[in-house]
Amino acid sequence: GDSVTQMEGPVTLSEEAFLTINCTYTATGYPSLFWYVQYPGEGLQLLLKATKADDKGSNKGFEATYRKETTSFHLEKGSVQVSDSAVYFCALSSHSNYQLIWGAGTKLIIKP
Amino acid sequence: DVKVTQSSRYLVKRTGEKVFLECVQDMDHENMFWYRQDPGLGLRLIYFSYDVKMKEKGDIPEGYSVSREKKERFSLILESASTNQTSMYLCASSPLEVVREKLFFGSGTQLSVL
Repeated sequence: GDSVTQMEGPVTLSEEAFLTINCTYTATGYPSLFWYVQYPGEGLQLLLKATKADDKGSNKGFEATYRKETTSFHLEKGSVQVSDSAVYFCALSSHSNYQLIWGAGTKLIIKP
Repeated sequence: DVKVTQSSRYLVKRTGEKVFLECVQDMDHENMFWYRQDPGLGLRLIYFSYDVKMKEKGDIPEGYSVSREKKERFSLILESASTNQTSMYLCASSPLEVVREKLFFGSGTQLSVL
């Protein structure tokens, strides 16, 4: 069945460092891909999405490109801030039902 | 902004108790969802509902039931709480036409079963 694999955390970086969080997927057909973020004490919120191959989603300085050839949707940011500390979830939409298929989440810690 | 409100942020219950987790959304969304979030496992769907009085099982419905008597309210019920149901429970909603595009989440209920 469909699945999402994320790099294990926590990922610890210094402020202004470059960020990459890896996400790969297995799916039939052409799913939509998402990154959600969960700040401490809050619910998840959609960060960005891409609906077809080669699409790039972007928001708040974060970017991710839908790579069909490598079945990947890696999250990147050029210069992270302390306020980016959160848990990041990669997800895909299953075309067979209402479900989103979720990765395990990657905790990001940014030190000043 | 859409608001999804979960009734409790933290809850401590005893094994065998019947537990009710309440969720209310204020944007007239058709779809509502209950997930549990466990470290290293991501989010797992327990139940979802696409209309009043309608419900569908997710991946892990065992030990849970749900109720949706009104469009804005979706309740998760643990019939007889067990220690393996200690977890973070997240409620979410979405409009019908974008059910897989964007979910709006509550801030979660951390349930501890002792």
